Amino acid sequence: GAGVSQSPSNKVTEKGKDVELRCDPISGHTALYWYRQSLGQGLEFLIYFQGNSAPDKSGLPSDRFSAERTGGSVSTLTIQRTQQEDSAVYLCASSLDLGQGALGGYTFGSGTRLTVV
Amino acid sequence: AQSVTQLGSHVSVSEGALVLLRCNYSSSVPPYLFWYVQYPNQGLQLLLKYTSAATLVKGINGFEAEFKKSETSFHLTKPSAHMSDAAEYFCAVSAERGADGLTFGKGTHLIIQP
Repeated sequence: GAGVSQSPSNKVTEKGKDVELRCDPISGHTALYWYRQSLGQGLEFLIYFQGNSAPDKSGLPSDRFSAERTGGSVSTLTIQRTQQEDSAVYLCASSLDLGQGALGGYTFGSGTRLTVV
Repeated sequence: AQSVTQLGSHVSVSEGALVLLRCNYSSSVPPYLFWYVQYPNQGLQLLLKYTSAATLVKGINGFEAEFKKSETSFHLTKPSAHMSDAAEYFCAVSAERGADGLTFGKGTHLIIQP
């Protein structure tokens, strides 16, 4: 697509439920990144994919968080047993490759605003 | 490890006044540095970047930033603020060239007073 698409744009869920957040990157972008933006905390790096591979998952906040990418395209961030502290905006970005990403060649999606009640 | 510090979570200036948003970085290797802007309910958009060429970098919307190695700074400036500049601004540094992710500062909310 022309830009990075994230869905849903807003999600309200009850504490303890599982949620799936979707990111559809720009066609041809091999690198994909997930960030979490909490109020007053800036952007927290969660995970990146090169193709379908995520070499380093240490940025995920807890084992309730997981992410996958299939076909080198769409990525899903899953949060199990959601907690109130998971409430944040989850941003996805893609870049042509990791090298371009390091040069700031990111395109960000508009994010998914997750509210856990 | 790389880190970024943005001084001032909120900055307020009058329309037409100078905009100065401060960013200091920490890096064990020569960094790549960036400024992103985020308008309400939108993703981040790249304003400008320093990648070891000219130390004074010009970006979109009249913004510019100067890389000062001796001060480990990359402050963002604009000579004359416009109401449309009201947004959240993030300074970022490459974690490692060719590798994963950017490290972002906590952001500065720019308020433009009429």
